[in-house]
Amino acid sequence: DTEVTQTPKHLVMGMTNKKSLKCEQHMGHRAMYWYKQKAKKPPELMFVYSYEKLSINESVPSRFSPECPNSSLLNLHLHALQPEDSALYLCASSQEGGQGYSPLHFGNGTRLTVT
Amino acid sequence: AQSVTQLDSQVPVFEEAPVELRCNYSSSVSVYLFWYVQYPNQGLQLLLKYLSGSTLVESINGFEAEFNKSQTSFHLRKPSVHISDTAEYFCAVTSIQGAQKLVFGQGTRLTINP
Repeated sequence: DTEVTQTPKHLVMGMTNKKSLKCEQHMGHRAMYWYKQKAKKPPELMFVYSYEKLSINESVPSRFSPECPNSSLLNLHLHALQPEDSALYLCASSQEGGQGYSPLHFGNGTRLTVT
Repeated sequence: AQSVTQLDSQVPVFEEAPVELRCNYSSSVSVYLFWYVQYPNQGLQLLLKYLSGSTLVESINGFEAEFNKSQTSFHLRKPSVHISDTAEYFCAVTSIQGAQKLVFGQGTRLTINP
């Protein structure tokens, strides 16, 4: 069982909908991440939060809005998405942010379909 | 900046045969190296990592990888594979300094045939 929990597992939304993806970890990790993974491709980094502050935004369109309410929770708010945004969205955490030796712990992802 | 090349997009092997998944990286600075595995319909799991010290690192399920600095490689090997090893394998690199930005290779699909 993964120690990073993502909900929902599947999400279908229209282009005018507003929805949120949620991620939770209770390992005391101080860095949390959002990745996007298209089929048969590696994960692409979207956002990094370190100590609850946004530290990296990989030029992600504003229709994706991250939020880190506390050190255990990470949300990704979605609005006015496009069909090409359909993908597996992975949350990850690591013990420390900004240090290369902290391996990532991934959740099982939310499979998003935009219709 | 770092980059990773996984030379094989797909590797089919028979059960109990040995396997090698190849990974080469490029970087102007010192790096940490990782192998992650992704089973169907799951997220990624860390398989093994090279941070420093012995260039041969091992996982608990029989995989090993060897860091070769002169060849800038970090190939993954297993002497005898099992059906349950069927998965996507990603090699990844990050610099030892700076932000936690993993650079992933394109992945290698390992398929084990009975």
